Amino acid sequence: AQSVTQLDSQVPVFEEAPVELRCNYSSSVSVYLFWYVQYPNQGLQLLLKYLSGSTLVKGINGFEAEFNKSQTSFHLRKPSVHISDTAEYFCAVTRGGGTSYGKLTFGQGTILTVHP
Amino acid sequence: DSGVTQTPKHLITATGQRVTLRCSPRSGDLSVYWYQQSLDQGLQFLIHYYNGEERAKGNILERFSAQQFPDLHSELNLSSLELGDSALYFCASSVGGGASNEKLFFGSGTQLSVL
Repeated sequence: AQSVTQLDSQVPVFEEAPVELRCNYSSSVSVYLFWYVQYPNQGLQLLLKYLSGSTLVKGINGFEAEFNKSQTSFHLRKPSVHISDTAEYFCAVTRGGGTSYGKLTFGQGTILTVHP
Repeated sequence: DSGVTQTPKHLITATGQRVTLRCSPRSGDLSVYWYQQSLDQGLQFLIHYYNGEERAKGNILERFSAQQFPDLHSELNLSSLELGDSALYFCASSVGGGASNEKLFFGSGTQLSVL
């Protein structure tokens, strides 16, 4: 079984500042890792995913994340945030390879609030 | 717009009642997944259907059931509702059978309030 811990429930930041949202996972098998964003009154949207290969993954809207196997982390970063990035962000994990049947394990979410 | 349609958007009902949530997947997608998002449990996987057949179950209560119809839309039935069933229920779809690297497209959810 896998588990995910998002270390910050809320992250306030000023516009144009950099941001890092932290995610740690636990698993006894190889994993695939995902970051999703949920804007108010909307469903989840995939930001980026790590399946294999390069540990630095680039996603939509200028976000990137780095997979660190030794530290079992998958932190999300953006060098300069905008007001429109205000949303809730979810880290998720599933068993790597094969078929997961949508059995994503989600973290508790981090609310990113960007202030002008 | 993800292309996944969920109805209704909001549902208010009483304890002990039964409700049906509906999901229409993106055109061409064969898989439908149901998730529950609640304040205490967070986001949890409930169940997966592929081309009409149940493929996987997660933390789904026995009072809950789902099915996928020949036109590929899916319904989640919740019965004997309790206050704790109040949550946002998401449906997602994907083109294949649930491979770990498949992209999931989520609907906007149905907000269920049990009073």
